[in-house]
Amino acid sequence: GAGVSQSPSNKVTEKGKDVELRCDPISGHTALYWYRQSLGQGLEFLIYFQGNSAPDKSGLPSDRFSAERTGGSVSTLTIQRTQQEDSAVYLCASTTGGVQVYEQYFGPGTRLTVT
Amino acid sequence: DQQVKQNSPSLSVQEGRISILNCDYTNSMFDYFLWYKKYPAEGPTFLISISSIKDKNEDGRFTVFLNKSAKHLSLHIVPSQPGDSAVYFCAALGPGAGSYQLTFGKGTKLSVIP
Repeated sequence: GAGVSQSPSNKVTEKGKDVELRCDPISGHTALYWYRQSLGQGLEFLIYFQGNSAPDKSGLPSDRFSAERTGGSVSTLTIQRTQQEDSAVYLCASTTGGVQVYEQYFGPGTRLTVT
Repeated sequence: DQQVKQNSPSLSVQEGRISILNCDYTNSMFDYFLWYKKYPAEGPTFLISISSIKDKNEDGRFTVFLNKSAKHLSLHIVPSQPGDSAVYFCAALGPGAGSYQLTFGKGTKLSVIP
């Protein structure tokens, strides 16, 4: 079956511009995560959506970052007024959200480069 | 303050030999651990996991060992194959019961030499 998909795969933008990154989770998965991997670093948690509950935004690094999940499926991560330190690979993951289900399924990521 | 540490950024192993990847954690509240494998330009894929109530979990060529007293876990791959060459991330679930966040290490790049 189809896995997690993300678009675009690569995005180059100028400092100060806004960008939108898209994630299509696995069909039926109620939980969706966004992570960021900067060069030489591990994956950094950004935000978590579970069903219709309020998202956990505790990992967002600044108020320039926001995310939405429409209809419990597709999610969009928006970065406003991008800075060079925002350059990273942004990864989306989903899981069924069931009890004691811990394995997350990742998309291929979007490589964001801010020039 | 890194709560999950992979102190070896890279490891080279001859094909057919054992690969041992190590991971240390600092928070004793972590209660579930996972290993992910990542190829270039792809997202991480789940490999194997272990609950804190166990000290070993085996799946084919992959075995994960957990030493809670030392806050240390390791992934053994035997025999190693060239297709195992990838970056391996250790991740911990928690801290705390009911947590859903994964805390990742920085990864170890494994190269299996034919």
